[in-house]
Amino acid sequence: EAQVTQNPRYLITVTGKKLTVTCSQNMNHEYMSWYRQDPGLGLRQIYYSMNVEVTDKGDVPEGYKVSRKEKRNFPLILESPSPNQTSLYFCASSPAMANTGELFFGEGSRLTVL
Amino acid sequence: QKEVEQNSGPLSVPEGAIASLNCTYSDRGSQSFFWYRQYSGKSPELIMSIYSNGDKEDGRFTAQLNKASQYVSLLIRDSQPSDSATYLCAAGSARQLTFGSGTQLTVLP
Repeated sequence: EAQVTQNPRYLITVTGKKLTVTCSQNMNHEYMSWYRQDPGLGLRQIYYSMNVEVTDKGDVPEGYKVSRKEKRNFPLILESPSPNQTSLYFCASSPAMANTGELFFGEGSRLTVL
Repeated sequence: QKEVEQNSGPLSVPEGAIASLNCTYSDRGSQSFFWYRQYSGKSPELIMSIYSNGDKEDGRFTAQLNKASQYVSLLIRDSQPSDSATYLCAAGSARQLTFGSGTQLTVLP
């Protein structure tokens, strides 16, 4: 089954404790992206990757890191989480380099930072 | 700052009616436009994409784009209770997409 898989789905952590949210897709998509979704603010892009070893900042990259060492994986790293990073996070991938807005989303990871 | 504006709603329509969802965008360089549907507690799923001025129909859904007015709309004909969801408008280029905050639609049986 074609899918984007995120882990963990739910996480409660404390300020400053490094965490990684993994994202893996089995569709051989070149484009991958991370979004956060907050009430009233919609989906905001954190980072995106056009291909292996190619990443770039989205609209809200502060406090996050990403890496793209393999085509299928695009982990999101919070080196020192803070309460303002409490949010619902979505990983997404796209098959079309020219139309990367045709996104397939993972199920989401709800993160709470205390 | 690229912005995509949507009326947050909630928008309520009776079953069988036409639901009309609207969206405006600020970046004239946007080339691609999308409508995503998000059920409560679920992830967004793509329902329509439109890249040129005019109408695009897919089943009960019609997307309309007017680049001169920077306006995108989605019409849902013969609305069903299963269409009750939040609809996200998105606009962008090949690399980045900007989403609106969504319009919550409720279809009343």
